[in-house]
Amino acid sequence: GENVEQHPSTLSVQEGDSAVIKCTYSDSASNYFPWYKQELGKRPQLIIDIRSNVGEKKDQRIAVTLNKTAKHFSLHITETQPEDSAVYFCAARNTGNQFYFGTGTSLTVIP
Amino acid sequence: GAVVSQHPSWVICKSGTSVKIECRSLDFQATTMFWYRQFPKQSLMLMATSNEGSKATYEQGVEKDKFLINHASLTLSTLTVTSAHPEDSSFYICSASGTGGRVYEQYFGPGTRLTVT
Repeated sequence: GENVEQHPSTLSVQEGDSAVIKCTYSDSASNYFPWYKQELGKRPQLIIDIRSNVGEKKDQRIAVTLNKTAKHFSLHITETQPEDSAVYFCAARNTGNQFYFGTGTSLTVIP
Repeated sequence: GAVVSQHPSWVICKSGTSVKIECRSLDFQATTMFWYRQFPKQSLMLMATSNEGSKATYEQGVEKDKFLINHASLTLSTLTVTSAHPEDSSFYICSASGTGGRVYEQYFGPGTRLTVT
């Protein structure tokens, strides 16, 4: 099956700085890559996603890049704010419509 | 739109009993539903994928006789934890994906916290 790795596991940044989280996947047929933000005890919330036919997507302060050849994708958050503090998960969807999650990154934005 | 509910939100049961968790898509038809398990400070682990009217596909290492999944309709899937033990205590989250424009995304339920004493 698909194997998704995510780095770093923890990340602390000063407010206003940028944060980058990276993921790699193993199944070259995976075709959809969402990113989720999860606050403690709550459900994951989709924050941005990218399909395999696109290399980059941006939504205000959040962007995702995808390198299909290298099988890696990254989340970029610019101008970070304290409310961005949460756990972020990447995921990859395979052709069987199954989603496999990375191990998560705990982001702390220091005011 | 795309709301998924789960019931109950928290359940405490005694060791050896069975617990049923419901996952409902409230405003769309969920052709596929997923069940995840999440331990504290860990990632979501896919347990099984279920398509309406079909048997669930379980991930390697997940006991299908212990975690019974039924996807009887396009809006309801259930997970039954049979003969629960303390090690089954966890946060169980379902998600659903639909058809058309919703086939790519998955929508998560709020989760069910299971505590087995």
